[in-house]
Amino acid sequence: LAKTTQPISMDSYEGQEVNITCSHNNIATNDYITWYQQFPSQGPRFIIQGYKTKVTNEVASLFIPADRKSSTLSLPRVSLSDTAVYYCLVGDLHTGGFKTIFGAGTRLFVKA
Amino acid sequence: DTGVSQDPRHKITKRGQNVTFRCDPISEHNRLYWYRQTLGQGPEFLTYFQNEAQLEKSRLLSDRFSAERPKGSFSTLEIQRTEQGDSAMYLCASSFGGNNSPLHFGNGTRLTVT
Repeated sequence: LAKTTQPISMDSYEGQEVNITCSHNNIATNDYITWYQQFPSQGPRFIIQGYKTKVTNEVASLFIPADRKSSTLSLPRVSLSDTAVYYCLVGDLHTGGFKTIFGAGTRLFVKA
Repeated sequence: DTGVSQDPRHKITKRGQNVTFRCDPISEHNRLYWYRQTLGQGPEFLTYFQNEAQLEKSRLLSDRFSAERPKGSFSTLEIQRTEQGDSAMYLCASSFGGNNSPLHFGNGTRLTVT
């Protein structure tokens, strides 16, 4: 199971773009990169998933370089409600990636 | 929105008592997972089911823990003879089980053992 490293915390202001980078040097060929968001007293919520290059949905973008040893979650124009913990997971969810250690995640604080 | 539902949301029990939690997954999902989360940490995998079969259990799942998923629908997680160290948030998730289908989590059951 690929280990991930991400910043413990980040601060931002409303309206700014926030980029959270995750390092995963030993990512395997079949591994996907999945990001979750968690608010206090709630379960993690799926944000975005990708394998390579760039993925975009209505919430975020995910940038993955060619070597796939890192990935960057980009949140455009954050608001106060984006204050949460963000987890980067790397694994093949079909064959056992669901056992991936979430780690402590990145605590994002958005200020007014 | 028929997401993953967990019951109860909160449970306070005395050490040594048994507790049981219930999870109702998204109806078309064939995989169901249980995780445990302590304060300041991410979720830790406990066990998962493919339909009614329990296919894998973590070493974290001691003999006091048992999970079932009769008929491949809802699931229960029972903790016998609770200990203070069992205090945590217990999260349930479900997925299609297809290639890299993301997990959909419930909002958990917060267990406090006094």
